[in-house]
Amino acid sequence: EVQLVESGGGLVQTGGSLRLSCAASGITFNNYAMSWVRQVPGKGLEWVSGISGRGEIRYYADSVRGRFTISRDNSKNTLFLQMDNLRAEDTALYYCASQPGGTGFLYYMDVWGKGTTVTVSS
Amino acid sequence: DIVMTQSPDSLAVSLGERATVNCKSSQSVLYSSSNKNYLAWFQQKPGQPPKLLIYWASTRESGVPDRFSGSGSATDFTLTITSLQAEDVAVYYCQQYYRTPPTFGQGTKVEIK
Repeated sequence: EVQLVESGGGLVQTGGSLRLSCAASGITFNNYAMSWVRQVPGKGLEWVSGISGRGEIRYYADSVRGRFTISRDNSKNTLFLQMDNLRAEDTALYYCASQPGGTGFLYYMDVWGKGTTVTVSS
Repeated sequence: DIVMTQSPDSLAVSLGERATVNCKSSQSVLYSSSNKNYLAWFQQKPGQPPKLLIYWASTRESGVPDRFSGSGSATDFTLTITSLQAEDVAVYYCQQYYRTPPTFGQGTKVEIK
């Protein structure tokens, strides 16, 4: 069974940093592109960042480019999101999701974790 | 960015009746060389992550009941739930993966009348 488990969320002050992790099991991790998607409680879904299976191509939403860095460690089946210079508007539940695209990125998100909550307060 | 617009924002349907959710993209998500529409549908129940229902606009994910179906092409898509069940109460999202950034519709809340 494919499973994604996020961790690393928490309460941080404006301007602070957090590092999210997403541990994958049940898949050949480097065959999957991965994305982070966030959701403010009661609101819709916003894609944040994505990375190809080998990690050579990275994508960011305009709202986080220059502040967030996505990476992956395929030897440990783990995806990361380094979040710096956090703002109040980054407060959300952050999900990781797998995309069965192999070396590509433009694929549907087939499995989602349960999410980790990030709260940024002043 | 490709803008995804769903309609209606919410709908109430009687048990056993049909529910239809529409999704319109601001530009075509049909990749002509493969003739595939880069469009997915998700179901999200309260307190749960989104669940993939449909990809390539009309391919049902493994394990998804066959009362869920997707149709449409290019810019206009539909998710149909034939014979609505109580467990189908949820918010439904469409999403394009034709171009980065991947973008989602605003969601449609389906309730029981």
